[in-house]
Amino acid sequence: KAGVTQTPRYLIKTRGQQVTLSCSPISGHRSVSWYQQTPGQGLQFLFEYFSETQRNKGNFPGRFSGRQFSNSRSEMNVSTLELGDSALYLCASSSGLYSSEQYFGPGTRLTVT
Amino acid sequence: KNEVEQSPQNLTAQEGEFITINCSYSVGISALHWLQQHPGGGIVSLFMLSSGKKKHGRLIATINIQEKHSSLHITASHPRDSAVYICAVKTSYDKVIFGPGTSLSVIP
Repeated sequence: KAGVTQTPRYLIKTRGQQVTLSCSPISGHRSVSWYQQTPGQGLQFLFEYFSETQRNKGNFPGRFSGRQFSNSRSEMNVSTLELGDSALYLCASSSGLYSSEQYFGPGTRLTVT
Repeated sequence: KNEVEQSPQNLTAQEGEFITINCSYSVGISALHWLQQHPGGGIVSLFMLSSGKKKHGRLIATINIQEKHSSLHITASHPRDSAVYICAVKTSYDKVIFGPGTSLSVIP
């Protein structure tokens, strides 16, 4: 079975631009969660989607949004990028909600200049 | 005070040593995860616990719900165990909180 894939793996954007990151879960998994990891704040939870519905959201501003498609693939979007948005963005899939085993993708490293 | 804390923050061990990493939390939880992150960023989920104890190879994870405490044990440590170990909880009110991580270095 293929693992969780994330595209792109690396991205450089300019302050004020917007960005869309993609996550394809393991086949059959219906839950996708997104996380942000920075050296200063560590890992922080962004969103959790299950069957196309956002089930849970972390404490991030409205510039951060996401969605999940009927094939369980998920995208997250960050608008009006700030320097502080530079981070590793990870997604993880599981067969159920967070209280199930999670499988992480390799992450997308976003640099905002 | 952080809602999820880990100790120690950094740990250096000789190959073969028995290692314990601790996680304590101050909120009600529905599940606790132990994650392993190697240099380069890749994260592997080691265990998901809601009670008791789980074992996988040389790794053992325990949780005491009453004491709000979990431990991750590594028996017969090996240099390939060198990584950051992160404790994460899903709270009873559906919030996901990560601990700060424990950086482990195992020296041959």
